[in-house]
Amino acid sequence: NAGVTQTPKFRILKIGQSMTLQCTQDMNHNYMYWYRQDPGMGLKLIYYSVGAGITDKGEVPNGYNVSRSTTEDFPLRLELAAPSQTSVYFCASSPGTGVSEQYFGPGTRLTVT
Amino acid sequence: EDQVTQSPEALRLQEGESSSLNCSYTVSGLRGLFWYRQDPGKGPEFLFTLYSAGEEKEKERLKATLTKKESFLHITAPKPEDSATYLCALIGGAQKLVFGQGTRLTINP
Repeated sequence: NAGVTQTPKFRILKIGQSMTLQCTQDMNHNYMYWYRQDPGMGLKLIYYSVGAGITDKGEVPNGYNVSRSTTEDFPLRLELAAPSQTSVYFCASSPGTGVSEQYFGPGTRLTVT
Repeated sequence: EDQVTQSPEALRLQEGESSSLNCSYTVSGLRGLFWYRQDPGKGPEFLFTLYSAGEEKEKERLKATLTKKESFLHITAPKPEDSATYLCALIGGAQKLVFGQGTRLTINP
């Protein structure tokens, strides 16, 4: 199993550009998550999904959109990139409800200038 | 609001020098407390889940314990390869994972 994979690993965007961060998991997990990690701030939940076709907002959803058309894929869309979106983005998945551990991808380091 | 505070922010130890990392929390209805390890440039890696006060879990040189207000990650006789950032997180009544800021641990040979 590859686990959770993310592409790209690094990206530089200009202000106002858009992009999609890709996330795929091969563990057949129902739950998937997107986090951002800023220095000294801990991980913040952006969006999550409890299954294909179902998504919901996390703590910091503004400026982002998600979709979940399959169990495996959970892309994160950035529209009109802003410098405040410079961060490291992690995708994660978990097997079940409530109190399951989450498995993280390697991250995407995004810089908006 | 569920909150997690980790201390210290950074800790330097000599190889073999045992110590503990602290995770203090406030939560409405703890459902689970997690410890993760994160190496530079990588995603967090799951270590332990603790569900109730008094519970302990061990893995190699690491032992995690839980009280009603805190969790500790005890590191016994650490090695340089234990150097990493250790993250504490919990799931409470909101059923979402809330992370602390992490403790950056450095073990000098």
